[in-house]
Amino acid sequence: ELKVEQNPLFLSMQEGKNYTIYCNYSTTSDRLYWYRQDPGKSLESLFVLLSNGAVKQEGRLMASLDTKARLSTLHITAAVHDLSATYFCAVSSMDSNYQLIWGAGTKLIIKP
Amino acid sequence: SAVISQKPSRDICQRGTSLTIQCQVDSQVTMMFWYRQQPGQSLTLIATANQGSEATYESGFVIDKFPISRPNLTFSTLTVSNMSPEDSSIYLCSVEQGFPYEQYFGPGTRLTVT
Repeated sequence: ELKVEQNPLFLSMQEGKNYTIYCNYSTTSDRLYWYRQDPGKSLESLFVLLSNGAVKQEGRLMASLDTKARLSTLHITAAVHDLSATYFCAVSSMDSNYQLIWGAGTKLIIKP
Repeated sequence: SAVISQKPSRDICQRGTSLTIQCQVDSQVTMMFWYRQQPGQSLTLIATANQGSEATYESGFVIDKFPISRPNLTFSTLTVSNMSPEDSSIYLCSVEQGFPYEQYFGPGTRLTVT
């Protein structure tokens, strides 16, 4: 059974700092997704990672995938208040019939 | 990316009644999904709805409680039947487009059952 663990579940940080959110999954994966959700809003797709060593960057966010370690990271560089949100990773594979299996989410609060 | 709309955006319903949620996509898609999200929680997949076939329900969800229609490639409905307060949640539809297989989400329907 495919399982996805995110950590930390809650992160409070100061503006200007760097930090990383981790997403571990239990079996081989074909696709790894990162989403952002603002309070009371729907989910916004950030990145889709498809292969080992994939790295994608958008602004202050960078996501990477290590399929051998079954680990993806979402790195935040020089955080700003506007990045405060809940971040979810999700994984799909043949084991899950390509349905998305979701992590619990990381609530990120960035203080000015 | 696909643009998805949902109706209603929110509703307050009485126990024992039913509510039908509509999901409209601006392009033709094969796979549509219905999720439930409790406040502060992650997402739980209710069912996958492919056009031309019966919806596939996840464990813990049954067709009698959550009937789904998928009449064409741009539209789907989810009905929450015989509602109880435990059904209070946000219901989200999503679609998957081709490579690189991104899933896009509608704005959600916030349901409160009293």
